Amino acid sequence: GENVEQHPSTLSVQEGDSAVIKCTYSDSASNYFPWYKQELGKGPQLIIDIRSNVGEKKDQRIAVTLNKTAKHFSLHITETQPEDSAVYFCAATSNTGNQFYFGTGTSLTVIP
Amino acid sequence: NAGVTQTPKFQVLKTGQSMTLQCAQDMNHNSMYWYRQDPGMGLRLIYYSASEGTTDKGEVPNGYNVSRLNKREFSLRLESAAPSQTSVYFCASQTGPHNQPQHFGDGTRLSIL
Repeated sequence: GENVEQHPSTLSVQEGDSAVIKCTYSDSASNYFPWYKQELGKGPQLIIDIRSNVGEKKDQRIAVTLNKTAKHFSLHITETQPEDSAVYFCAATSNTGNQFYFGTGTSLTVIP
Repeated sequence: NAGVTQTPKFQVLKTGQSMTLQCAQDMNHNSMYWYRQDPGMGLRLIYYSASEGTTDKGEVPNGYNVSRLNKREFSLRLESAAPSQTSVYFCASQTGPHNQPQHFGDGTRLSIL
């Protein structure tokens, strides 16, 4: 099955700086890569996703890049704000797969 | 629009007790999932239901059973709770095709003493 690794496990940045979280996957058939944000006491919420037919996707301060050859994808948050502090999870799945495979999460702290 | 609703939000059980975690979605989604979340281990799939009337095992099914009661509801049952099942349990739903987002509830925090 698929194996998704996520780094770093914790990340602290100053408000206004950028944050980057990286994930690698093992199954070349994976073609859908969502990112979730989980705030304390809440369930994961989708913040952005990318499919394998594109290399980059942006939504305001958030962007995701995908390198299919190297089998890795990254989340970029620019101009970080204290409300960006949360745990972020990446995931991978494929057309034929029946489940998402999640990374182990990154705890992001934005220091005011 | 409530999305995915899980009940209860918190529960404390004694070893050997049984209980059922409830999940309902109002998005007319075909697929539903149960995950457990433990520190440092991300989200691990327990069981899923690709469509009404079907259920399949995920990565960590031992000690659990599920029922897809109808299109809206998917329950998770612990027949004889063990301390190793102390966790946060999340239910999710998905419209159908595999490469679409899953939508999560806010979880049930379960402690087994």
